[in-house]
Amino acid sequence: QSVLTQPPSVSGAPGQTVTISCNGGSSNIGAGYEVHWYQQLPGRAPTLLIYDSHNLASGIPARFSGSKSATSASLAITGLQADDEAEYFCQSYDRSLDGFYVFGTGTKVTVL
Amino acid sequence: QLHLQESGSGLVRPSETLSLTCAVSGVSLSSSSPSWTAPSWAWIRQPPGKGLEWIGYIYSDGSTYYLPSLRGRVTISADKSKNQFSLKLTSMTAADTAMYYCASLGVSNWFDPWGQGALVTVSS
Repeated sequence: QSVLTQPPSVSGAPGQTVTISCNGGSSNIGAGYEVHWYQQLPGRAPTLLIYDSHNLASGIPARFSGSKSATSASLAITGLQADDEAEYFCQSYDRSLDGFYVFGTGTKVTVL
Repeated sequence: QLHLQESGSGLVRPSETLSLTCAVSGVSLSSSSPSWTAPSWAWIRQPPGKGLEWIGYIYSDGSTYYLPSLRGRVTISADKSKNQFSLKLTSMTAADTAMYYCASLGVSNWFDPWGQGALVTVSS
């Protein structure tokens, strides 16, 4: 029951910049809850990429950046590299139905 | 360094109960740290080829919080003596087939780290 919507896929050539959107609503991002981003490499568990909208997790290169606006958030990858090819998920909290954690629908990044 | 490892039944028959355990190393579930600073312990699942779904978590004081659509079927508990926490999900159906992950939920509401995952298949 994802209430955070992401584009199914984005692609770019090595060195280019790709941006992934995460669209929520008034009960999650719009209510002021923070957004976090995860990277899931093929066949692996997700790992924390960005927390609190724009802070890089430990060991994450500055090629990754995040931002948040009213009811949405974005993840940008600059200087795209082959090992950035993965699935990316946003995550927040939703205060409806007594509250629950919610993930985005996921975006597959393909490096051309 | 905090590390989590899932274990449990990989094949569950329809209508039966899933039981998974997550062993925690690197931090004690019996930590004397104030409850508002201690992490919570969560379960998340991912059906094959699909997105992530939060199942629930257990707080340091033992209170539990579950995804509304799973309430009544799910129980998360902790065994501090074994430094592990567990998931039970009853009345399993094919729709519950997924990779099940345990994770640490920090006070700032992100999940880090995650276990490697346990694949659970519901089939007769």
